Amino acid sequence: GAVVSQHPSRVICKSGTSVKIECRSLDFQATTMFWYRQFPKQSLMLMATSNEGSKATYEQGVEKDKFLINHASLTLSTLTVTSAHPEDSSFYICSARESTPYQRNYGYTFGSGTRLTVV
Amino acid sequence: AQSVTQLGSHVSVSEGALVLLRCNYSSSVPPYLFWYVQYPNQGLQLLLKYTTGATLVKGINGFEAEFKKSETSFHLTKPSAHMSDAAEYFCAVSDPDSWGKLQFGAGTQVVVTP
Repeated sequence: GAVVSQHPSRVICKSGTSVKIECRSLDFQATTMFWYRQFPKQSLMLMATSNEGSKATYEQGVEKDKFLINHASLTLSTLTVTSAHPEDSSFYICSARESTPYQRNYGYTFGSGTRLTVV
Repeated sequence: AQSVTQLGSHVSVSEGALVLLRCNYSSSVPPYLFWYVQYPNQGLQLLLKYTTGATLVKGINGFEAEFKKSETSFHLTKPSAHMSDAAEYFCAVSDPDSWGKLQFGAGTQVVVTP
Protein backbone atom coordinates (compact mmCIF):
# COMPACT_ATOMS: atom_id res chain seq x y z
CA GLY A 1 0.00 0.00 0.00
CA ALA A 2 0.86 3.65 -0.18
CA VAL A 3 3.43 4.88 2.30
CA VAL A 4 4.22 8.40 3.39
CA SER A 5 7.44 9.01 5.28
CA GLN A 6 7.71 12.02 7.56
CA HIS A 7 10.90 13.23 9.21
CA PRO A 8 11.94 14.02 11.82
CA SER A 9 9.59 12.29 14.25
CA ARG A 10 10.65 14.56 17.09
CA VAL A 11 12.54 17.82 17.17
CA ILE A 12 13.44 20.24 19.91
CA CYS A 13 14.62 23.66 18.91
CA LYS A 14 15.41 26.96 20.52
CA SER A 15 13.05 29.87 20.25
CA GLY A 16 13.83 31.99 17.20
CA THR A 17 15.29 29.22 15.09
CA SER A 18 13.72 27.53 12.07
CA VAL A 19 12.78 23.91 11.68
CA LYS A 20 12.15 21.95 8.49
CA ILE A 21 9.86 18.93 8.34
CA GLU A 22 9.90 16.62 5.34
CA CYS A 23 7.09 14.55 3.92
CA ARG A 24 7.82 11.99 1.21
CA SER A 25 5.52 9.70 -0.71
CA LEU A 26 7.57 6.53 -1.11
CA ASP A 27 5.75 4.48 -3.69
CA PHE A 28 3.42 6.85 -5.44
CA GLN A 29 3.36 10.32 -6.87
CA ALA A 30 1.48 12.85 -4.85
CA THR A 31 0.52 15.98 -6.72
CA THR A 32 -1.27 17.19 -3.61
CA MET A 33 -0.12 17.02 -0.02
CA PHE A 34 -1.70 18.44 3.09
CA TRP A 35 -0.21 19.75 6.31
CA TYR A 36 -2.08 19.46 9.59
CA ARG A 37 -1.46 20.62 13.10
CA GLN A 38 -2.79 18.75 16.10
CA PHE A 39 -2.90 20.02 19.67
CA PRO A 40 -3.09 17.53 22.55
CA LYS A 41 -6.36 15.64 22.70
CA GLN A 42 -7.76 17.57 19.77
CA SER A 43 -8.58 16.85 16.18
CA LEU A 44 -6.43 17.66 13.17
CA MET A 45 -6.52 21.20 11.90
CA LEU A 46 -5.66 21.69 8.26
CA MET A 47 -2.97 24.30 7.82
CA ALA A 48 -2.36 24.25 4.10
CA THR A 49 -2.71 22.36 0.86
CA SER A 50 0.49 21.86 -1.07
CA ASN A 51 0.40 21.37 -4.82
CA GLU A 52 3.45 20.27 -6.76
CA GLY A 53 4.97 23.11 -8.71
CA SER A 54 2.73 25.83 -7.37
CA LYS A 55 2.20 27.91 -4.29
CA ALA A 56 0.54 26.36 -1.30
CA THR A 57 -2.98 27.29 -0.31
CA TYR A 58 -3.20 28.28 3.33
CA GLU A 59 -6.24 28.01 5.55
CA GLN A 60 -7.65 31.08 7.15
CA GLY A 61 -5.66 32.19 10.14
CA VAL A 62 -2.48 30.35 9.21
CA GLU A 63 0.52 32.62 8.73
CA LYS A 64 2.09 31.74 5.42
CA ASP A 65 5.28 33.61 6.24
CA LYS A 66 5.75 31.57 9.39
CA PHE A 67 4.85 28.21 7.92
CA LEU A 68 6.67 27.95 4.61
CA ILE A 69 5.62 25.08 2.38
CA ASN A 70 7.55 23.85 -0.61
CA HIS A 71 6.37 21.07 -2.91
CA ALA A 72 9.13 20.97 -5.49
CA SER A 73 8.67 17.40 -6.65
CA LEU A 74 5.92 14.81 -6.95
CA THR A 75 7.24 12.93 -3.94
CA LEU A 76 8.42 15.60 -1.52
CA SER A 77 6.78 18.42 0.38
CA THR A 78 8.46 20.35 3.17
CA LEU A 79 7.10 22.51 5.96
CA THR A 80 9.47 25.04 7.51
CA VAL A 81 8.47 26.65 10.77
CA THR A 82 10.34 29.93 10.73
CA SER A 83 11.39 31.84 13.83
CA ALA A 84 9.72 29.26 16.00
CA HIS A 85 8.25 30.20 19.37
CA PRO A 86 6.93 28.05 22.21
CA GLU A 87 3.37 28.52 20.98
CA ASP A 88 4.35 26.74 17.77
CA SER A 89 5.01 23.59 19.76
CA SER A 90 2.61 21.01 18.44
CA PHE A 91 2.24 17.75 16.53
CA TYR A 92 2.49 18.29 12.78
CA ILE A 93 1.20 15.66 10.37
CA CYS A 94 1.40 15.52 6.61
CA SER A 95 -0.88 13.66 4.26
CA ALA A 96 -0.62 12.79 0.60
CA ARG A 97 -3.58 12.26 -1.65
CA GLU A 98 -3.45 9.20 -3.84
CA SER A 99 -4.93 9.37 -7.27
CA THR A 100 -7.85 11.54 -8.24
CA PRO A 101 -11.51 11.49 -7.26
CA TYR A 102 -13.75 8.78 -8.69
CA GLN A 103 -10.85 6.36 -9.04
CA ARG A 104 -10.82 3.13 -7.11
CA ASN A 105 -7.67 3.79 -5.12
CA TYR A 106 -8.63 7.31 -4.13
CA GLY A 107 -7.60 8.11 -0.61
CA TYR A 108 -5.27 9.90 1.73
CA THR A 109 -2.19 8.47 3.40
CA PHE A 110 -0.73 10.08 6.48
CA GLY A 111 2.81 10.44 7.70
CA SER A 112 3.72 9.39 11.22
CA GLY A 113 3.86 12.97 12.47
CA THR A 114 6.48 15.29 13.93
CA ARG A 115 6.45 16.39 17.54
CA LEU A 116 7.90 19.90 17.63
CA THR A 117 8.94 21.37 20.96
CA VAL A 118 10.22 24.93 21.03
CA VAL A 119 12.12 25.88 24.17
CA ALA B 1 -19.68 23.17 3.02
CA GLN B 2 -19.07 19.99 4.89
CA SER B 3 -18.95 19.10 8.53
CA VAL B 4 -18.54 16.00 10.64
CA THR B 5 -19.94 15.29 14.08
CA GLN B 6 -18.69 12.47 16.23
CA LEU B 7 -21.02 11.75 19.10
CA GLY B 8 -19.09 11.07 22.26
CA SER B 9 -15.55 12.22 22.85
CA HIS B 10 -14.85 9.20 25.05
CA VAL B 11 -16.18 5.67 24.81
CA SER B 12 -15.39 2.91 27.27
CA VAL B 13 -16.02 -0.69 26.29
CA SER B 14 -15.27 -4.01 27.90
CA GLU B 15 -12.96 -6.41 26.14
CA GLY B 16 -15.10 -8.63 23.93
CA ALA B 17 -18.00 -6.19 23.81
CA LEU B 18 -19.37 -4.37 20.79
CA VAL B 19 -17.62 -1.19 19.74
CA LEU B 20 -19.90 1.47 18.24
CA LEU B 21 -18.58 4.88 17.25
CA ARG B 22 -21.03 7.35 15.80
CA CYS B 23 -20.37 9.73 12.94
CA ASN B 24 -22.82 12.05 11.23
CA TYR B 25 -21.97 14.36 8.41
CA SER B 26 -23.43 17.20 6.45
CA SER B 27 -22.57 17.69 2.81
CA SER B 28 -24.21 19.26 -0.18
CA VAL B 29 -23.01 16.46 -2.45
CA PRO B 30 -22.56 12.71 -1.96
CA PRO B 31 -19.39 12.64 0.07
CA TYR B 32 -16.47 10.33 0.45
CA LEU B 33 -16.26 9.09 4.05
CA PHE B 34 -13.33 7.78 6.03
CA TRP B 35 -12.51 6.36 9.43
CA TYR B 36 -8.97 6.67 10.76
CA VAL B 37 -7.32 5.42 13.94
CA GLN B 38 -4.52 7.21 15.76
CA TYR B 39 -2.29 5.75 18.42
CA PRO B 40 -0.37 8.10 20.75
CA ASN B 41 2.29 10.19 19.01
CA GLN B 42 1.61 8.57 15.68
CA GLY B 43 0.01 9.51 12.41
CA LEU B 44 -3.36 8.33 11.19
CA GLN B 45 -4.03 4.87 9.85
CA LEU B 46 -6.93 4.27 7.51
CA LEU B 47 -9.47 1.79 8.86
CA LEU B 48 -11.90 1.96 5.97
CA LYS B 49 -13.46 4.28 3.45
CA TYR B 50 -16.64 4.70 1.47
CA THR B 51 -16.52 6.26 -1.97
CA THR B 52 -19.15 4.53 -4.08
CA GLY B 53 -20.84 1.16 -4.37
CA ALA B 54 -21.75 -1.09 -1.48
CA THR B 55 -22.80 0.90 1.54
CA LEU B 56 -21.48 -1.62 4.06
CA VAL B 57 -17.73 -1.26 4.09
CA LYS B 58 -15.35 -3.67 5.74
CA GLY B 59 -12.00 -2.46 6.95
CA ILE B 60 -8.95 -3.64 8.76
CA ASN B 61 -8.81 -5.13 12.26
CA GLY B 62 -12.42 -6.36 12.10
CA PHE B 63 -14.01 -2.93 11.77
CA GLU B 64 -16.85 -2.10 9.45
CA ALA B 65 -19.06 0.89 8.76
CA GLU B 66 -22.31 1.47 6.97
CA PHE B 67 -23.09 4.52 4.89
CA LYS B 68 -26.71 5.53 5.45
CA LYS B 69 -27.59 8.42 3.20
CA SER B 70 -31.05 8.91 4.70
CA GLU B 71 -29.53 9.31 8.15
CA THR B 72 -26.37 11.08 6.94
CA SER B 73 -24.41 8.66 9.06
CA PHE B 74 -21.31 6.51 8.80
CA HIS B 75 -21.08 4.71 12.13
CA LEU B 76 -18.12 2.45 12.86
CA THR B 77 -18.57 -0.91 14.55
CA LYS B 78 -16.55 -3.90 15.67
CA PRO B 79 -18.31 -6.94 17.13
CA SER B 80 -15.72 -7.73 19.79
CA ALA B 81 -13.32 -5.20 21.27
CA HIS B 82 -9.70 -6.08 21.83
CA MET B 83 -7.29 -4.32 24.15
CA SER B 84 -5.33 -3.19 21.12
CA ASP B 85 -8.36 -1.20 19.92
CA ALA B 86 -7.70 1.44 22.58
CA ALA B 87 -6.89 4.54 20.54
CA GLU B 88 -8.33 7.75 19.11
CA TYR B 89 -10.72 7.37 16.19
CA PHE B 90 -11.50 10.06 13.64
CA CYS B 91 -14.29 10.23 11.11
CA ALA B 92 -13.61 12.38 8.06
CA VAL B 93 -15.42 13.53 4.95
CA SER B 94 -14.29 14.91 1.62
CA ASP B 95 -16.09 16.37 -1.34
CA PRO B 96 -15.04 14.53 -4.50
CA ASP B 97 -16.40 17.20 -6.82
CA SER B 98 -14.01 19.79 -5.50
CA TRP B 99 -11.07 17.40 -5.11
CA GLY B 100 -11.49 18.46 -1.56
CA LYS B 101 -9.42 18.21 1.52
CA LEU B 102 -10.50 16.07 4.44
CA GLN B 103 -12.75 17.54 7.08
CA PHE B 104 -12.27 15.74 10.39
CA GLY B 105 -14.56 15.14 13.29
CA ALA B 106 -13.41 15.96 16.80
CA GLY B 107 -12.39 12.39 17.47
CA THR B 108 -13.49 9.69 19.90
CA GLN B 109 -11.13 8.21 22.46
CA VAL B 110 -11.78 4.53 22.97
CA VAL B 111 -10.82 2.87 26.23
CA VAL B 112 -11.00 -0.90 26.50
CA THR B 113 -11.34 -2.39 29.95
CA PRO B 114 -10.45 -5.97 30.83
